[in-house]
Amino acid sequence: KQEVTQIPAALSVPEGENLVLNCSFTDSAIYNLQWFRQDPGKGLTSLLLIQSSQREQTSGRLNASLDKSSGRSTLYIAASQPGDSATYLCAVRRSGTYKYIFGTGTRLKVLA
Amino acid sequence: DTAVSQTPKYLVTQMGNDKSIKCEQNLGHDTMYWYKQDSKKFLKIMFSYNNKELIINETVPNRFSPKSPDKAHLNLHINSLELGDSAVYFCASSQEYYWGASLNTEAFFGQGTRLTVV
Repeated sequence: KQEVTQIPAALSVPEGENLVLNCSFTDSAIYNLQWFRQDPGKGLTSLLLIQSSQREQTSGRLNASLDKSSGRSTLYIAASQPGDSATYLCAVRRSGTYKYIFGTGTRLKVLA
Repeated sequence: DTAVSQTPKYLVTQMGNDKSIKCEQNLGHDTMYWYKQDSKKFLKIMFSYNNKELIINETVPNRFSPKSPDKAHLNLHINSLELGDSAVYFCASSQEYYWGASLNTEAFFGQGTRLTVV
């Protein structure tokens, strides 16, 4: 059974810091891993998608890495800004299924 | 244009009522989903349809019945609503394609429907 865990559950940092969010999964048989952002009361916005054959993806100040063998992904946010404050979710798509399994989320607050 | 749109955005109703939530995607995707986000913000899959065919049916009470009239629409009907049904319900869609030997896919989510049962 695939389980996805995110650490830390909550994080508060001053503006300008570089930070790392962690996602771990128990079953390495995945098609891909997707990082999402969720603002309070809003839907999910896709940030980065890493296919199982890839090691990392970058978009602006965001960089996501994937290590399937160890069941880990990290989301690196450079030079954090107050606008980055949101809940960050990772989700894995299990191989052989259409099912996306979500992590527990990291609630990020960037202080001005 | 909104890629995945849900209606209504908010729904407040009394226990015992029957209600529906509608979802439409204009991405041309073959697969659509319903997810439930509970009070602890945990997202869990409920149903999935691929080309109008039910492919995922998690342990969900029979009071919940999805319907997919066509590939672009997936509606969720809930009978005899209970207090515990209060949550945010998200619709999503995805499309699978092969890049060489690798299966590529990406999920897109709607804005959610906040259901409150009183």
